[in-house]
Amino acid sequence: DIQMTQSPSSLSASIGDRVTITCRASQDIRNDLGWYQQKPGKAPKRLIYAASSLQSGVPSRFSGSGSATEFTLTISSLQPEDFATYYCLQHTTYPWTFGQGTKVEIK
Amino acid sequence: EVQLLESGGGLVQPGGSLRLSCAASRFTFSNYDMSWVRQAPGKGLEWVSAISTSGGYTYYADSVKGRFTISRDNSKNTLYLQMNSLRAEDTAVYYCAIRLPGPLWGQGTLVTVSS
Repeated sequence: DIQMTQSPSSLSASIGDRVTITCRASQDIRNDLGWYQQKPGKAPKRLIYAASSLQSGVPSRFSGSGSATEFTLTISSLQPEDFATYYCLQHTTYPWTFGQGTKVEIK
Repeated sequence: EVQLLESGGGLVQPGGSLRLSCAASRFTFSNYDMSWVRQAPGKGLEWVSAISTSGGYTYYADSVKGRFTISRDNSKNTLYLQMNSLRAEDTAVYYCAIRLPGPLWGQGTLVTVSS
């Protein structure tokens, strides 16, 4: 199985900060990676697909980069509505595997 | 836009069975592999099972192999998950997902396994 190592597991940041979350895959997954945002009690929402493509309707402050084994989600200027938990997902082979999640909290 | 509507969740005793359904709309269901993903309370996301477009290939997480069965009815645009021998650790919200570059899923249905 492909292991996805996501870091950090949590972070505290202020409004306007630049935030970076990383996922590392245990083997090459090409660009078969998505980033998801989850708020309490809600289903995860897709932000980024194919590693760097922005989901329609998602603010442009979100961006994704990377390929093969190293991937990054960046929020360029954190907004109040961005406080949530973020997950990466590799879907290149079954079993799909998720990162452990990053909880973004208010400093 | 893709629509996926899960149903069939509820409270079941350990050892019991439940069948989940997922009604798909606004896309050509028969063209896409489908999966089930779950999330236990307060935990992360876990892929459970997948099925190919025709249903000829199925895949399962080790944690559910031999207990869960995934199936689909392309004439009804519906995905199923038959869950047998349920355990407390199967308690979770279950989402059905479409295999896209960046899978999408519905709002989920809650399964609670408890006596």
